[in-house]
Amino acid sequence: DGGITQSPKYLFRKEGQNVTLSCEQNLNHDAMYWYRQDPGQGLRLIYYSQIVNDFQKGDIAEGYSVSREKKESFPLTVTSAQKNPTAFYLCASSISRSVEQYFGPGTRLTVT
Amino acid sequence: RKEVEQDPGPFNVPEGATVAFNCTYSNSASQSFFWYRQDCRKEPKLLMSVYSSGNEDGRFTAQLNRASQYISLLIRDSKLSDSATYLCVVNIKTWVRDDKIIFGKGTRLHILP
Repeated sequence: DGGITQSPKYLFRKEGQNVTLSCEQNLNHDAMYWYRQDPGQGLRLIYYSQIVNDFQKGDIAEGYSVSREKKESFPLTVTSAQKNPTAFYLCASSISRSVEQYFGPGTRLTVT
Repeated sequence: RKEVEQDPGPFNVPEGATVAFNCTYSNSASQSFFWYRQDCRKEPKLLMSVYSSGNEDGRFTAQLNRASQYISLLIRDSKLSDSATYLCVVNIKTWVRDDKIIFGKGTRLHILP
């Protein structure tokens, strides 16, 4: 089955720790994205990548980092510099940047 | 004016009724449009793309009005399973960098038995 997987589904961390969220897709999509969603809020773009070894900051990149070493994988690291990391993190992919995106099931991160 | 605006709702609609909601956008360079549905605590799922001529998929009809800069979603014969938040997505063509993709905050729909 083709799709996007994110792991883990729930993640709990102590303040001050870096944490890496996994995102893998087997749709052969070139573009991948990371969004953050807070309760009652819309999706906000953290980072996106249109091609391997290249990525661009979104609207709220501060405190986050990404890598794109393989087409299928786009991990997101939430660093200790991110002031309010508790949120629902969604990874998405698309054939190219201007067409519809498909989302993974998300990771709920709680930092205490 | 916000780039993409939706009425947050909730829209409380009896089962079997028809419901419609709009999404307005401010940038006339907007090029492609989509509707997603998001169930509580789940990921958004693509419902349908919105084409210039309008398009229909079963009970769902999407339309684009470029002159007034809005897209609409019409749901006929609503089912309990249609209860969700509906997100509109607008893709804005820019000439200085990559296309900009804006998600609306969504409209909540509750179908009442």
